[in-house]
Amino acid sequence: GQNIDQPTEMTATEGAIVQINCTYQTSGFNGLFWYQQHAGEAPTFLSYNVLDGLEEKGRFSSFLSRSKGYSYLLLKELQMKDSASYLCAPMDSNYQLIWGAGTKLIIKP
Amino acid sequence: GAVVSQHPSWVICKSGTSVKIECRSLDFQATTMFWYRQFPKQSLMLMATSNEGSKATYEQGVEKDKFLINHASLTLSTLTVTSAHPEDSSFYICSARDTEPYEQYFGPGTRLTVT
Repeated sequence: GQNIDQPTEMTATEGAIVQINCTYQTSGFNGLFWYQQHAGEAPTFLSYNVLDGLEEKGRFSSFLSRSKGYSYLLLKELQMKDSASYLCAPMDSNYQLIWGAGTKLIIKP
Repeated sequence: GAVVSQHPSWVICKSGTSVKIECRSLDFQATTMFWYRQFPKQSLMLMATSNEGSKATYEQGVEKDKFLINHASLTLSTLTVTSAHPEDSSFYICSARDTEPYEQYFGPGTRLTVT
């Protein structure tokens, strides 16, 4: 079956760094997306990894290890507006995104 | 990035009536559009996938006669909730993508309340 495992909730301090881990199992693999979703809003795209390694984009970086079925999203210099849910979504062999429940990130001052 | 609009952003309707939600890709051609439903504090649930000019593919458990999807052009897809009931109240979100790199661009969502 297809499965995604992320922590349900994480708490971090403003200005700090947080890493959100994701392990996945899919039928085939065509890359992995990270989305951010604020409460009551639709998801917005953060990153896409298809090859192993680290992709850096400003304060956000995403890492992928295909052999381990593992990815993480790294958020630096946390701001209060980063409080949101972060969704790890691998793409299967049919190019469909597989969605988990996401990780709710709470930022404290 | 690409922009996807959704209309209306919220709607309240009476039980038994039908509601149509529009999803438009504003600056790209969406060969594929997706319709999701999300209940509070739950994950996105894919309802159906539609390709322009062909019938939608519904996920298991989603009634195709109740949730009518039309993807008539490369920039417009509609979801019609027929004979709506209170249990259909949810946040409906569409997304669209072109061909590679397969990123899905999401609309802002439509909050449906059935009274």
